[in-house]
Amino acid sequence: GESVGLHLPTLSVQEGDNSIINCAYSNSASDYFIWYKQESGKGPQFIIDIRSNMDKRQGQRVTVLLNKTVKHLSLQIAATQPGDSAVYFCAENAGGTSYGKLTFGQGTILTVHP
Amino acid sequence: DTGVSQDPRHKITKRGQNVTFRCDPISEHNRLYWYRQTLGQGPEFLTYFQNEAQLEKSRLLSDRFSAERPKGSFSTLEIQRTEQGDSAMYLCASSSVGFGGEQFFGPGTRLTVL
Repeated sequence: GESVGLHLPTLSVQEGDNSIINCAYSNSASDYFIWYKQESGKGPQFIIDIRSNMDKRQGQRVTVLLNKTVKHLSLQIAATQPGDSAVYFCAENAGGTSYGKLTFGQGTILTVHP
Repeated sequence: DTGVSQDPRHKITKRGQNVTFRCDPISEHNRLYWYRQTLGQGPEFLTYFQNEAQLEKSRLLSDRFSAERPKGSFSTLEIQRTEQGDSAMYLCASSSVGFGGEQFFGPGTRLTVL
C-alpha cells in the first residue's frame, strides 16, 4: 500500500514574489494534467489545465509548464498574494479506459507572508 | 449557487453503522466522480458515472462501498459496516463529457468513525 506522508513539501514566499510549484507525474500515458488549489476545509478548486500536446499554457497570473521527457509539471504564480496560500495539487488523467479518473500528486503547501 | 453540493458536510458515526452521502452535481454535467481524501494526501479516485452508468470503480472501493446515480442526476455513496479506517473526506466532482473534462469539486463530506 501507499506510505502515509503527513509531511507535504512546503514553499514560503513573500507577497509579490513569484512562486513555482513542481510536480513529478508517474504515468507516461497521461495526456491531460490539471492544477488544483485546496484551502482548509474545502474541496479542490480548478486553477489551470494543459493537454499533453502542449508545453506551456498561461492563465491569469498562472502558467503551467509541461516537460513530458522527464514527466515534470510546474505551476508558476506571478505576484503571489496572501489569498494564494493553500495546498496545491497536480493531477493527471491517463485517458483511454481510465478517461474519467484523475490521479493526484502529493501536494505542496504554499504560504504567502504579507 | 450552481456548483457541486454535498450533504451532509460532516458525519460522525460509530463503527459498524451504515452511512450514506449525497452529491448533487452541476446540472448540465453528465459525469460524476467520487474521491476519498485522508489527511495530508491528495484525493484518491473511487468511482465515476456517466449519466446513470457506473463506468469505473477503484480497487479501493471494497464490497462495503456502493455508489448509485439512479436518474443520472444526483448520486449517493453508501458505506456499510463502517470501520475506523473509513474516516476521511469524501469528495464529489462533476464534469461535462469531452476531452480532459475539467472536474469541479464539491466541498466534501467529512466522515469520522469512532
